[in-house]
Amino acid sequence: NAGVTQTPKFQVLKTGQSMTLQCAQDMNHNSMYWYRQDPGMGLRLIYYSASEGTTDKGEVPNGYNVSRLNKREFSLRLESAAPSQTSVYFCASYKGSNEKLFFGSGTQLSVL
Amino acid sequence: GQQLNQSPQSMFIQEGEDVSMNCTSSSIFNTWLWYKQDPGEGPVLLIALYKAGELTSNGRLTAQFGITRKDSFLNISASIPSDVGIYFCAGRGFGNEKLTFGTGTRLTIIP
Repeated sequence: NAGVTQTPKFQVLKTGQSMTLQCAQDMNHNSMYWYRQDPGMGLRLIYYSASEGTTDKGEVPNGYNVSRLNKREFSLRLESAAPSQTSVYFCASYKGSNEKLFFGSGTQLSVL
Repeated sequence: GQQLNQSPQSMFIQEGEDVSMNCTSSSIFNTWLWYKQDPGEGPVLLIALYKAGELTSNGRLTAQFGITRKDSFLNISASIPSDVGIYFCAGRGFGNEKLTFGTGTRLTIIP
């Protein structure tokens, strides 16, 4: 009954450091997404993957890279973190055909 | 990037009051969704709408898919303390995997 699992839950980075946010889903969904949430901005799409082996840019992809390692896992990488990337990051998965989008519990990232 | 205009941005109400919020877009959507987010958690789906004009209820929640396909409304009747949180609308276009989210409505219940 895990659904979408994100790690870590919290992270503090210094400017210029790199890190990878991990996401895994156990629902056999085809599509996976990375969103960031900032106060007053709602959820903005960073990257998404419609199927294993494919990735596409969302609204705010700059400064990020993604990897769809297999059907279960979709990771988000910050190569050189900047203070503007301080945010709460959510991973989500979607089966398709108007099924609902399932979210992980989020990663709170602070870049100092 | 496109975002949906959601209003109001925040609401302060007393327990027992009814709540209304709406979402508008410049684009037509094939699907409208309403989510609720509790502190420290990811959004959870409340209601999904798939046809223009559709009116769907989930307990005390009622949502409508606008006739123009460019708007949607959510009503909560007889609010209770656990209704506190942030409500997001979201829309999906035809043949589009991407979901666009509104900016959220923060609901607070005044004791």
